[in-house]
Amino acid sequence: DAKTTQPPSMDCAEGRAANLPCNHSTISGNEYVYWYRQIHSQGPQYIIHGLKNNETNEMASLIITEDRKSSTLILPHATLRDTAVYYCIVSRVSNFGNEKLTFGTGTRLTIIP
Amino acid sequence: KAGVTQTPRYLIKTRGQQVTLSCSPISGHRSVSWYQQTPGQGLQFLFEYFSETQRNKGNFPGRFSGRQFSNSRSEMNVSTLELGDSALYLCASRTGAEQFFGPGTRLTVL
Repeated sequence: DAKTTQPPSMDCAEGRAANLPCNHSTISGNEYVYWYRQIHSQGPQYIIHGLKNNETNEMASLIITEDRKSSTLILPHATLRDTAVYYCIVSRVSNFGNEKLTFGTGTRLTIIP
Repeated sequence: KAGVTQTPRYLIKTRGQQVTLSCSPISGHRSVSWYQQTPGQGLQFLFEYFSETQRNKGNFPGRFSGRQFSNSRSEMNVSTLELGDSALYLCASRTGAEQFFGPGTRLTVL
């Protein structure tokens, strides 16, 4: 699975959009971009994933560049409950689906009141 | 729908002992994966089971093993515990692309 690079930490004011970047310059054509987050001492929580088109769900938007070498997770209106470590993961999807997630060190996002 | 449950939530063992952790996936999910999380190594994939068969395995020694039952419940076992096995052990189940994680079992080895 391709490696990802994320800033170790970021701050965002409550109510503003949080934009979390991720670099995955060695991503392969059959690898998806996944985002998970982990609130302190809890299990990771799925946020969103995509292959090459931008994706949006009730939690966030995912913007993937045309060359697929980087992406940005956008939390449109950050709240204090969004304070967490955010992991960007690229993972191959086989005939069995996505089988394993290779977590990096993630970005620690702190929402400032 | 109930989420992924893991038992026990906390466990204290001593070096050399063995331990068995349990995971009950979300109803209908046939895939169960296990992860280890430590401050030094972060979140690392241990193995994945699907329909009682181990389908994928991470880079852990043979002391770490697992199994899955016909009802999709899974157990992982660690034999001859070492201090470095102290960690949060997470289980995740899935039916598609999204993995649903349990709260984890925090194992402390003394």
